[in-house]
Amino acid sequence: DAKTTQPTSMDCAEGRAANLPCNHSTISGNEYVYWYRQIHSQGPQYIIHGLKNNETNEMASLIITEDRKSSTLILPHATLRDTAVYYCIVRSPTGTASKLTFGTGTRLQVTL
Amino acid sequence: GAVVSQHPSWVICKSGTSVKIECRSLDFQATTMFWYRQFPKQSLMLMATSNEGSKATYEQGVEKDKFLINHASLTLSTLTVTSAHPEDSSFYICSARANPGQGSLRELFFGEGSRLTVL
Repeated sequence: DAKTTQPTSMDCAEGRAANLPCNHSTISGNEYVYWYRQIHSQGPQYIIHGLKNNETNEMASLIITEDRKSSTLILPHATLRDTAVYYCIVRSPTGTASKLTFGTGTRLQVTL
Repeated sequence: GAVVSQHPSWVICKSGTSVKIECRSLDFQATTMFWYRQFPKQSLMLMATSNEGSKATYEQGVEKDKFLINHASLTLSTLTVTSAHPEDSSFYICSARANPGQGSLRELFFGEGSRLTVL
């Protein structure tokens, strides 16, 4: 898996949008960008993934730059329950392993 | 959505004993399961890849004789920590990969984790 770079921590006020950046400058053509989050003492939770087009689901939006070297996860209206560590991961969906390699992630703290 | 269940969610054992952790895919078949370990305030570290019906593939630095993995069916993988010591105390998390071709690319699902404390 290509490496990703994320800020160590971020704060966001409740109700505001949380924008979490991720750099993946060595991403290859067939690799997708995945976002997971981990709330304290729980297993990771899938959020969203994309290849090159922007994606949106009920949890978040994913904006991928045209050159695919970076992306931003957007939580449109952050709540206290969104406080977690957010992991940006790039991987190919094919192949025998398809394993996820986790970096250090961004610790998002949502405050009142 | 797909569910992966781990059992036990937490366990305390004495040093020198062995502990088994189960990972089950509840509503799908998983040819491949992954085992991770997470120490406090650290990221998840992949320990091994478990393939149904074959030997597990261990990551560099992980002792295969200490962390025994068995994937005997398409819905169950077990991790046994043998002769556990306090330094093995950690949060162990499994993930399961749905069989290829069975739908979306988000085919990796995670369990709730199992916290092991070795006294």
